[in-house]
Amino acid sequence: AQTVTQSQPEMSVQEAETVTLSCTYDTSESDYYLFWYKQPPSRQMILVIRQEAYKQQNATENRFSVNFQKAAKSFSLKISDSQLGDAAMYFCAYRRGNNDMRFGAGTRLTVKP
Amino acid sequence: NAGVTQTPKFQVLKTGQSMTLQCAQDMNHNSMYWYRQDPGMGLRLIYYSASEGTTDKGEVPNGYNVSRLNKREFSLRLESAAPSQTSVYFCASSDPYRDRGETQYFGPGTRLLVL
Repeated sequence: AQTVTQSQPEMSVQEAETVTLSCTYDTSESDYYLFWYKQPPSRQMILVIRQEAYKQQNATENRFSVNFQKAAKSFSLKISDSQLGDAAMYFCAYRRGNNDMRFGAGTRLTVKP
Repeated sequence: NAGVTQTPKFQVLKTGQSMTLQCAQDMNHNSMYWYRQDPGMGLRLIYYSASEGTTDKGEVPNGYNVSRLNKREFSLRLESAAPSQTSVYFCASSDPYRDRGETQYFGPGTRLLVL
């Protein structure tokens, strides 16, 4: 079974600074998708960014970017110019076909003013 | 365009009671999902429905049943609630025909407490 590991239960960052959240996954597949979701205190799950495994270029969405290392099975999220509104739980997720989506346990990000 | 909606937002049950969690989406998505989220864990898939009229078990289906009533609605039923089913339940939807990556869009969640 595919597993997703987020080794940092909690992280903190100073406002306007940069932080990187780690994620590793285990798979024998070559075609799959990776996601980062944000869950603020409202509990709403919000898509932050996604990466297709067949693409070598790292995905970027405004202040959010990923470092996708396929051989190392690593998928980290970098948040630049951190804002107070970035404070949330962040979940890394892996999906291959057949609606098989697996989530990591999450990283709680605190942003200090 | 409301996206994915869930009712109720919060529910308290006694052990052995039954209830149905409702989910609806207005994005014309084919696939719908039910997850549960427990403290210290990520979301785990309970059941999913790839299209109207089909349902399949996910990682943790025991104690649950689902119904894909039509393309919009996907309900989750607890026939005899147990304290172990205390959790936050999320419904999600995706569209494999318009999005090969099948990004999932989530509802706001239902918090269920079983005493």
